[in-house]
Amino acid sequence: RKEVEQDPGPFNVPEGATVAFNCTYSNSASQSFFWYRQDCRKEPKLLMSVYSSGNEDGRFTAQLNRASQYISLLIRDSKLSDSATYLCVGRGSARQLTFGSGTQLTVLP
Amino acid sequence: EAQVTQNPRYLITVTGKKLTVTCSQNMNHEYMSWYRQDPGLGLRQIYYSMNVEVTDKGDVPEGYKVSRKEKRNFPLILESPSPNQTSLYFCASSWQGNYGYTFGSGTRLTVV
Repeated sequence: RKEVEQDPGPFNVPEGATVAFNCTYSNSASQSFFWYRQDCRKEPKLLMSVYSSGNEDGRFTAQLNRASQYISLLIRDSKLSDSATYLCVGRGSARQLTFGSGTQLTVLP
Repeated sequence: EAQVTQNPRYLITVTGKKLTVTCSQNMNHEYMSWYRQDPGLGLRQIYYSMNVEVTDKGDVPEGYKVSRKEKRNFPLILESPSPNQTSLYFCASSWQGNYGYTFGSGTRLTVV
C-alpha cells in the first residue's frame, strides 16, 4: 500500500463548479501536510499547507483529519486556470517527504 | 527573486558519459533534495541533504551521487548514465522543520 494515496482522476468539471479531492496517508508519523499544484511538464508549486484546524486561501480550503488519516482540498468557483495535477504531500522529516501520485483536474468552459 | 535554479533544462546524452546537473538556491535553506518523476511512478526522492556536508540516500539512490560543499549548491552527478535514468529531475529546497519545498524548474534528461 502506498504511503500517500490519491484518486488519480481525471476530474472534468465545468467552470464555476466546486470540486473536492481527498488523500489518505498510512504513516501516522507524518507531521505536516501540503497540497502542491503541478502543470504539465512544470515543477510542482506549493499551493497551501494543511492544518488540523482547517485553512482557507481564497477559493481553496484544506483540511486535515488525523484520526481518519486523510487530507482534503476543496476548490470553489473553479476557473479554467485551475486545470492542473494536484499533489498531496506528507512530511515526517527532511527525508520523509512523501508524494501522492496526483489527481488530474480539467476545468471545462 | 527567491528561487531554485537548475541547469541544464534539457539534456540528451549517451550511455556511460558522466554528467552533472547543477542546483542552486538563494534562500539560505538548510534542506535540499533531488527527485525524479516518471509516468505512473510519481515523484521519488533520490538524495537529500540537511546541511553542508550532510547527505543521505532517498528511495532511489542507485546510479547517482551528490555533494553539498556549500549551502546554496547541491549538484546531482551521474557517473555512468544508463537509459533507465531517462527522466524528469527536480531539485528542491526548504527550511528545516515543517515547511514545504520550493522546486526548481526541472531537468529533462534523455540517455540513449
